[in-house]
Amino acid sequence: ILNVEQSPQSLHVQEGDSTNFTCSFPSSNFYALHWYRWETAKSPEALFVMTLNGDEKKKGRISATLNTKEGYSYLYIKGSQPEDSATYLCARFSNDYKLSFGAGTTVTVRA
Amino acid sequence: DGGITQSPKYLFRKEGQNVTLSCEQNLNHDAMYWYRQDPGQGLRLIYYSQIVNDFQKGDIAEGYSVSREKKESFPLTVTSAQKNPTAFYLCASYSFGGAGTEAFFGQGTRLTVV
Repeated sequence: ILNVEQSPQSLHVQEGDSTNFTCSFPSSNFYALHWYRWETAKSPEALFVMTLNGDEKKKGRISATLNTKEGYSYLYIKGSQPEDSATYLCARFSNDYKLSFGAGTTVTVRA
Repeated sequence: DGGITQSPKYLFRKEGQNVTLSCEQNLNHDAMYWYRQDPGQGLRLIYYSQIVNDFQKGDIAEGYSVSREKKESFPLTVTSAQKNPTAFYLCASYSFGGAGTEAFFGQGTRLTVV
């Protein structure tokens, strides 16, 4: 993998359902993996910053895992709520201070 | 309040004119970044700077220029050489204070070239 890639590009979830999506990134020169949440008309806000292989982080109903050896991270949303609707961005911070983003996964939660 | 400020929010320019977008932060962050977003696409890195008086090209630097004369300021100039300058531009800053730190973002500038 040469760039940060996210899949799927978008998904629709019924309220109360759980969902997850993927971020793939080059594992070479890796320092940290960031997840951000971006709502319309607002600035992106950080959810998680992870550095170690096997890291797992949780904030409320949202959690993330990290595999630095194979270059992927998963973001999970448990019991989706309408307020979870947003674009979720992952970014790879490398040892040369470059912060590169994926194209994002746009989540729409239907009530 | 500490934060990162981009101005203006909306900017209109005629084709062939250079335009400079402002980005200022009072977070004492070391690094600053410029990204471009086009409709339906993610954030693409234009330039970044990890220290005053030094900066590096990102993935789409052609047609852009930057300067980093002060720690708190990282202006981006969109030159007439940029073939498709109409886009949303987002500035970010980042501290190297620890492995768990995150980037902070401005509100963005939407540039329209007519």
